[in-house]
This record gives sequence, structure tokens and C-alpha cells, in this order.
Amino acid sequence: GNSVTQMEGPVTLSEEAFLTINCTYTATGYPSLFWYVQYPGEGLQLLLKATKADDKGSNKGFEATYRKETTSFHLEKGSVQVSDSAVYFCALKSGGGAQKLVFGQGTRLTINP
Amino acid sequence: DVKVTQSSRYLVKRTGEKVFLECVQDMDHENMFWYRQDPGLGLRLIYFSYDVKMKEKGDIPEGYSVSREKKERFSLILESASTNQTSMYLCAIGLAGNGDTQYFGPGTRLTVL
Repeated sequence: GNSVTQMEGPVTLSEEAFLTINCTYTATGYPSLFWYVQYPGEGLQLLLKATKADDKGSNKGFEATYRKETTSFHLEKGSVQVSDSAVYFCALKSGGGAQKLVFGQGTRLTINP
Repeated sequence: DVKVTQSSRYLVKRTGEKVFLECVQDMDHENMFWYRQDPGLGLRLIYFSYDVKMKEKGDIPEGYSVSREKKERFSLILESASTNQTSMYLCAIGLAGNGDTQYFGPGTRLTVL
């Protein structure tokens, strides 16, 4: 079946550091890939997405490239801020049916000033 | 802006009580979903609905049921709450396309004593 594996957290960085959160997936067909972010006390919101191989999603300084050859969708940001502290979820959606999302376990990110 | 509303942010119930969690959308999306979120496990799909009066089991439906009598409203029911159902419950809505985003409500943190 479909599955998503994220790097384990928590991750703690200093402000302006470079961020990578690894995400790999297993899926049949050609899934779409998503990163969601959950700020403290809130629901999930879409951060970025990519719907086909070699697509790059980007938003708020974050980027992720859909790599079919390595089945990966790693999240990167060049210079993190304290306000980026949140839980990040990688997810995939495969074709057919009601378009269910399959999530990774989430990575808690804390940025220290 | 997409709006997904959940009936309560925090809820405390006793073991054996019947619990209703309600989700309302204002976007006319076909698909509605109920997830539970637990630390280290990410989000797991309980039930989803792709039309009025239609429902399908997700990955962890045991102990839950759902109701969708109107397109904008999707209810999650715990017939007899148990302590292992203490969790964060998230409702989401979405369209049917493979690349379409799911939009989440703010979540209900349920504690069963």
C-alpha cells in the first residue's frame, strides 16, 4: 500500500540556519505530494505541493522537488525564522476513489533565536 | 477563503458517553474526511464521505461512525467513548482531483476520562 516516511524529530535549529526535512514515499501509480504545516494550537494548512515528477513546489521560502527516481520530496529552506517553529507533515495522494491523503508521522521543528 | 468549522475546540467526556463531533464547510466540496492525530503516528483516516449519505471506512474506523445528511455537514460519532479515543480530531474537505488540496479545520481535542 501507499506510505510516507519522514525523518524523525524533534529538530532544533538556530535562526538563519539551513533546514532539510527528509520525506520518502511508496506508492503505486503517479501520486501528488504535499507538505502541510501545523502551527501551535491550529489545524493543518497546505505549505506546498507538486503533482508530477520534477515539479518544484515553493511557498514562504520553503521548497521541495518531486523526485520520482529516489521517491523523495524533501523540504528545504535556506534561512529559517523563529516563526517557522511548527510541526511539518509530508503527505501523498494517489489516484482513484475519494482522493485520500496518506501522511507521514510529522516532524516537530523548533527554531531558537 | 476556505472555511472549515468544527463544533468544539476542546471537549471532555466520560467513558461510555456518546460523543458527536461536527464539521461544517462553506465551499461546496464533495469530499469530507475525519482524521485523528496522535504524537508519533501522524494523521490517520477514520472515515470519509464523497457525497451526501455516502461514506467509506478509512484506516481506523473501529469504535466510530459518521453521518452526512447534508453536503456541508459531516459528523463523527463515538457510540461509546473509551479512554483510547482521547486524541485530536481533524476534519478536512477536498475536491476529487488528484492534485487538489485538502483543507483542514482547527481540530477538536477530545479527552475521555
